[in-house]
Amino acid sequence: DAKTTQPNSMESNEEEPVHLPCNHSTISGTDYIHWYRQLPSQGPEYVIHGLTSNVNNRMASLAIAEDRKSSTLILHRATLRDAAVYYCITNFGSNYKLTFGKGTLLTVNP
Amino acid sequence: GAVVSQHPSRVICKSGTSVKIECRSLDFQATTMFWYRQFPKQSLMLMATSNEGSKATYEQGVEKDKFLINHASLTLSTLTVTSAHPEDSSFYICSAGGGDTEAFFGQGTRLTVV
Repeated sequence: DAKTTQPNSMESNEEEPVHLPCNHSTISGTDYIHWYRQLPSQGPEYVIHGLTSNVNNRMASLAIAEDRKSSTLILHRATLRDAAVYYCITNFGSNYKLTFGKGTLLTVNP
Repeated sequence: GAVVSQHPSRVICKSGTSVKIECRSLDFQATTMFWYRQFPKQSLMLMATSNEGSKATYEQGVEKDKFLINHASLTLSTLTVTSAHPEDSSFYICSAGGGDTEAFFGQGTRLTVV
């Protein structure tokens, strides 16, 4: 399974952009890159996913390196509600299993 | 978007009893669902893959006789914690989807065994 490496924690100020990095140097050519986030005592919430091209949705943008060995989740204007643990996942088994790493705890300061 | 619903959200049970947690896909059919367990301040750990109409696939170290999984329909998977003990107290989460599409997670079930 492809492993991911994320910083344990990051801090941001409200209304500023946040760039959350993820390294996945062993990713295979057909693995998608997924990002989920989890608030305390809640199930994870989908944020964004992509394969090779950069992706944008209403929540965030995903910038994927050309060699696909790393990616960056971009929150364009952080809000207090964005404070959560963000998980970057790239390994998918035959049944689409999602294997979670430790994630990045994002703190947003008012 | 698609929704996965878990029930109950919280449950307290006595040691030695069994508890059933339901996971429903509300507006789509899920031939495969996944069950996770999360201890405080830790990440989600995959317990098992629930397959509609067939036996579940358990991850290494997960006791299949203790954590019974039934996936009798395309919209419902259940996890039964049998003979629960305090060490089984945890946050249990189910999901469906993933791969080249987004995965949908239930709200989670907080199990406390006293």
